Amino acid sequence: EAGVVQSPRYKIIEKKQPVAFWCNPISGHNTLYWYRQNLGQGPELLIRYENEEAVDDSQLPKDRFSAERLKGVDSTLKIQPAELGDSAVYLCASSLISGAGTDTQYFGPGTRLTVL
Amino acid sequence: GDSVTQMEGPVTLSEEAFLTINCTYTATGYPSLFWYVQYPGEGLQLLLKATKADDKGSNKGFEATYRKETTSFHLEKGSVQVSDSAVYFCALRYSSASKIIFGSGTRLSIRP
Repeated sequence: EAGVVQSPRYKIIEKKQPVAFWCNPISGHNTLYWYRQNLGQGPELLIRYENEEAVDDSQLPKDRFSAERLKGVDSTLKIQPAELGDSAVYLCASSLISGAGTDTQYFGPGTRLTVL
Repeated sequence: GDSVTQMEGPVTLSEEAFLTINCTYTATGYPSLFWYVQYPGEGLQLLLKATKADDKGSNKGFEATYRKETTSFHLEKGSVQVSDSAVYFCALRYSSASKIIFGSGTRLSIRP
């Protein structure tokens, strides 16, 4: 079974440029998460989707970050414009059961973003 | 608020040494506790979990016991291997929510 797929794996951009990350969750998983992991820190949740609906986006900086999950499968996270402080690893995860605290989240390898 | 604190790394050990990575938590309720592992170039993987006090989670020779009295969930392994080199994250999560709160991670390096 294929795991969570993310692309690109690495991205280097200059500040003020836009950038987008793509995630394909495990087949059949209706819940999708985007996390940000700063250097030397644990991941922090940015947004959670149940199917195509964003049910928790309280930690998403909405002035420059946006996300979508059309058709409730793939998802895209966008930053526009990027700032130096956005340099981090962006992780996508998926789980089978929405909102259940006991359900395992499966993580992708992440996209490492460097903003110069 | 809820938080997880784990020992800073990096931790460097020789093969077959005993491993302990300390983890303590602060929680307003009664969360489940987890250890995740991140191997080089790979995503986070669930290593083990415990859902209530005194439960012991175990997997791949690793184990951790949920200690409510000391608010701890220390990770242990009796004999580490080079293949155990990775970053280990302690985390908590409530059964009523999907949000995971992670510690800052501990990098483990095992010398042959």
